[in-house]
Amino acid sequence: GESVGLHLPTLSVQEGDNSIINCAYSNSASDYFIWYKQESGKGPQFIIDIRSNMDKRQGQRVTVLLNKTVKHLSLQIAATQPGDSAVYFCAEKMGTGRRALTFGSGTRLQVQP
Amino acid sequence: NAGVTQTPKFRVLKTGQSMTLLCAQDMNHEYMYWYRQDPGMGLRLIHYSVGEGTTAKGEVPDGYNVSRLKKQNFLLGLESAAPSQTSVYFCASSRQGTGASPLHFGNGTRLTVT
Repeated sequence: GESVGLHLPTLSVQEGDNSIINCAYSNSASDYFIWYKQESGKGPQFIIDIRSNMDKRQGQRVTVLLNKTVKHLSLQIAATQPGDSAVYFCAEKMGTGRRALTFGSGTRLQVQP
Repeated sequence: NAGVTQTPKFRVLKTGQSMTLLCAQDMNHEYMYWYRQDPGMGLRLIHYSVGEGTTAKGEVPDGYNVSRLKKQNFLLGLESAAPSQTSVYFCASSRQGTGASPLHFGNGTRLTVT
């Protein structure tokens, strides 16, 4: 079925290294993708989004890459900090007119000091 | 600027009891949403509203009702709680519809139904 998934449930990185969190999607009609960060006991916090007419978008220390050929989305975090430790979700909107975002189950990022 | 505020933060209900979850946003957003988050399943949309006085069903609406009498408030009701409704509930709002502007989430309500 149509789904948003994640390759790795847990990612452990050293402080100062770059992190890459991956996400696969299966619906070629999806036209909008978004990454959220969720810390324990809090709601998801918007990080960055990208529309399907783009391949790359950069924010502050974060970059989202979209590869529509292989239906793959990634979030890159530069110079990972302890405060980046959280669960990261990707989500997609499956085409025009759809209201709901379909969320993946999340990847836990652990930053080692 | 509080953003999206949810009350209560925690609640325990017995099967068959009813309750209302409150959501308030101070960003003058048109769109509001209720999601539930269960382990290993991500967030799923229950109901949403595209403006004051409007509501619509999401992916998992059964057993829930909503109301949007004021633009800043979105209420989620459980008329007869069931153990399957044990979850963490998140309210969100956005300036425009999904895909046009990001959703801003509250910090959730953890509901346990025994």
